[in-house]
Amino acid sequence: QKEVEQNSGPLSVPEGAIASLNCTYSDRVSQSFFWYRQYSGKSPELIMSIYSNGDKEDGRFTAQLNKASQYVSLLIRDSQPSDSATYLCAVSRTGGGNKLTFGTGTQLKVEL
Amino acid sequence: EPEVTQTPSHQVTQMGQEVILRCVPISNHLYFYWYRQILGQKVEFLVSFYNNEISEKSEIFDDQFSVERPDGSNFTLKIRSTKLEDSAMYFCASSRSSISYNEQFFGPGTRLTVL
Repeated sequence: QKEVEQNSGPLSVPEGAIASLNCTYSDRVSQSFFWYRQYSGKSPELIMSIYSNGDKEDGRFTAQLNKASQYVSLLIRDSQPSDSATYLCAVSRTGGGNKLTFGTGTQLKVEL
Repeated sequence: EPEVTQTPSHQVTQMGQEVILRCVPISNHLYFYWYRQILGQKVEFLVSFYNNEISEKSEIFDDQFSVERPDGSNFTLKIRSTKLEDSAMYFCASSRSSISYNEQFFGPGTRLTVL
């Protein structure tokens, strides 16, 4: 069973629409959840972190966490062509080395 | 805004050669990490480092790999005898804390090509 699962996409949305990206994880002791954006050939860029159940909003981005369902999502409102990238979900557990376990990422394409 | 830096951006080496990848973490961060990403694959954890010790390492991080903080600013990853399958992007990351809120910031990466 994969530790962090994401739909690889591509997910295509029109400019101005809401993009919804989903992620499930298998390790119930995961404590911290992150969304990274990765442009082709570039490094992961942290865009959101979430640690407790519910919603967390930051500008056009909203992260949602449901630990009971082992599910985390990212909503991007008013999607722009510059949002076109691969979005990586990452989880970690408290303690030890706090390694991040990444999903394979969802490719988002925002079309004009 | 502070950022993680890495050198070189691209390293080409022959199989069996040693390489050292260098990183300068964000200055007030205490926890350091190396990840790698083989082309077309997911980002994989290699090792975490705190207080001059390895905190955790993955199965990938075998005896051919080592890390070091030789001074107050640099953090290095050494691969003693490179293999073809070591070809990947290597990312350094750092975080301020390792307790619950563990936001890790990544450097731009070093592309390692083993011929």
